[in-house]
Amino acid sequence: EVQLVEFGGGLVQPGRSLRLSCAASGFNFDDYAMHWVRQAPGKGLEWVSGISWNSGSLGYADSVKGRFTISRDNDKNSLYLQMNSLRTEDTALYYCAKDGSDSGGPFDYWGQGTLVTVSS
Amino acid sequence: DIQMTQSPSSLSASVGDRVTITCQASQDISNYLNWYQQKPGKAPKLLIYDASNLETGVPSRFSGGGSGTDFTFTISSLQPEDIATYYCQQYDDLPPRVTFGGGTKVEIK
Repeated sequence: EVQLVEFGGGLVQPGRSLRLSCAASGFNFDDYAMHWVRQAPGKGLEWVSGISWNSGSLGYADSVKGRFTISRDNDKNSLYLQMNSLRTEDTALYYCAKDGSDSGGPFDYWGQGTLVTVSS
Repeated sequence: DIQMTQSPSSLSASVGDRVTITCQASQDISNYLNWYQQKPGKAPKLLIYDASNLETGVPSRFSGGGSGTDFTFTISSLQPEDIATYYCQQYDDLPPRVTFGGGTKVEIK
């Protein structure tokens, strides 16, 4: 059974940093691209970042480019999102999602999300 | 960047009705278009991939069509358990680049 479990969210002040993690199990992690998607309270889905199976190709939404860094450790079956210079508008539920291919495709499995609140 | 315009933003229909949602891309995206269902308090669920392919285990009353810039998502006979928000999504690979539509909230009349 595919499982994606996000953790690392919490309350953080504007300008500070936070690192999210996603632990994956139930599939060959190093065969698939992975993504982070966020959802602000009461709002729609926003893609944040994606990474190919071998970390050779990375993508970011314009809203986080230069502040967030996606990475993965295939030996640990883990996906990460380093978030720096956080802003109040980064407040959201952050989902980890598995891609259906090694570089770009539909998101066939999602975690339950970890909540990030940016507030002073 | 590719923009995805989804309409309507909300709709109310009766059980058994046929429901159609549209999604328009700002440029040709071939068939790189997926549809998701999100129920309140839950993570999104993939329903349709590559514009018209039904994900395994998804009821056949859900369908998708279109290519290029114009896409449709249809529920052939609305059921009470279909109450949710539906999102279209386009994707590019290498590098990964994804855009979601604004969502359509479906309610029972």
